[in-house]
Amino acid sequence: EAGVAQSPRYKIIEKRQSVAFWCNPISGHATLYWYQQILGQGPKLLIQFQNNGVVDDSQLPKDRFSAERLKGVDSTLKIQPAKLEDSAVYLCASSLGYSPGGTIYFGEGSWLTVV
Amino acid sequence: EDKVVQSPLSLVVHEGDTVTLNCSYEVTNFRSLLWYKQEKKAPTFLFMLTSSGIEKKSGRLSSILDKKELFSILNITATQTGDSAVYLCAAYRTGTASKLTFGTGTRLQVTL
Repeated sequence: EAGVAQSPRYKIIEKRQSVAFWCNPISGHATLYWYQQILGQGPKLLIQFQNNGVVDDSQLPKDRFSAERLKGVDSTLKIQPAKLEDSAVYLCASSLGYSPGGTIYFGEGSWLTVV
Repeated sequence: EDKVVQSPLSLVVHEGDTVTLNCSYEVTNFRSLLWYKQEKKAPTFLFMLTSSGIEKKSGRLSSILDKKELFSILNITATQTGDSAVYLCAAYRTGTASKLTFGTGTRLQVTL
């Protein structure tokens, strides 16, 4: 079974530039998550989709971050304009249902460095 | 606000030692507690615990949940260098805003 796919794996940009990350979840998984993991910290949920609807985006900095999940499958996360503190790994994850008991599967992550 | 606290933050042991990692949580509408292992890439799932006092075991790893005292432990016996990683604990809550909240992790280093 194919896992969660993410791209690009690594990205270096200057502050105030924009960047977009792409995620393809495990086939059949209705719920998709974007997490931000800053070095030395645990992952923090940015946004959660159920099919193509947003379930939770309470911790998404909406002035600069946006995310969409068209057709309930792939998702993109965009940062515009980027700040130095956005340097982190952006993890996409998916799960089978809305309330899976918590078992979610992570992609390899997209490592962002803002200089 | 949901909170998950792990201790110790980091740990260095010799191969063959037994280690215990701790996780405490304060989560509204708690449903389950999860452990993940992270080695320089995405976290990989280890255990999900929903009931108190029932130990889950996988090889040299085991974990148990205490829902009264709001904590969980992860034990690793006969540690190997391949166990070196960050171990993440996460608490899952249900409701209209179901969410998985992670702790900061325990960094384990196993030396020869």
